[in-house]
Amino acid sequence: EAGVTQFPSHSVIEKGQTVTLRCDPISGHDNLYWYRRVMGKEIKFLLHFVKESKQDESGMPNNRFLAERTGGTYSTLKVQPAELEDSGVYFCASSQLIGSGYGYTFGSGTRLTVV
Amino acid sequence: AQSVTQLGSHVSVSEGALVLLRCNYSSSVPPYLFWYVQYPNQGLQLLLKYTSAATLVKGINGFEAEFKKSETSFHLTKPSAHMSDAAEYFCAVSHTGANSKLTFGKGITLSVRP
Repeated sequence: EAGVTQFPSHSVIEKGQTVTLRCDPISGHDNLYWYRRVMGKEIKFLLHFVKESKQDESGMPNNRFLAERTGGTYSTLKVQPAELEDSGVYFCASSQLIGSGYGYTFGSGTRLTVV
Repeated sequence: AQSVTQLGSHVSVSEGALVLLRCNYSSSVPPYLFWYVQYPNQGLQLLLKYTSAATLVKGINGFEAEFKKSETSFHLTKPSAHMSDAAEYFCAVSHTGANSKLTFGKGITLSVRP
């Protein structure tokens, strides 16, 4: 089966611009998660979708970040306007079953650099 | 609140030597524990997981980890390091249930010397 696909793999934008990251989960996976790793720090949870609904968005840093998952398939994460501190690697993951005891499948990540 | 501690940022071993990567966690309820590995330019790959069954968990590529509740630890080991094991390793903890987000440690980079 195809894995979790993220694109772009890299993005370099200027401060104040808008960037949209996309994640295509494994087909049939209802759970979709976004995580972020800022350089030198740990990977941190951003939010969790169950199908098209936001189950938990407690990790979203501020209202410059907007995540959507229309139709319960792919998801986008938009940063508008981007700030320097938004630089990092954004990971998407999906899982088939509620409860992380079964483990996620992660994508390769999008490396975002804001200059 | 959950947390994960991975002491140090880098471990270097010789090829064929024992690999030991330490992970300590804090959790108010019985946790689910995970080790993930990230090879260069790749995503996070699940190495192994503890889900309240056997305390000694075997994973892929010869890795294993032992859950020790009394020590709140879940250290990762491999008897004999291979050059291909060079990567970054992450320990993570989660609860069960609908809120299944992972809390990660800072990660540790493993280098393997020939």
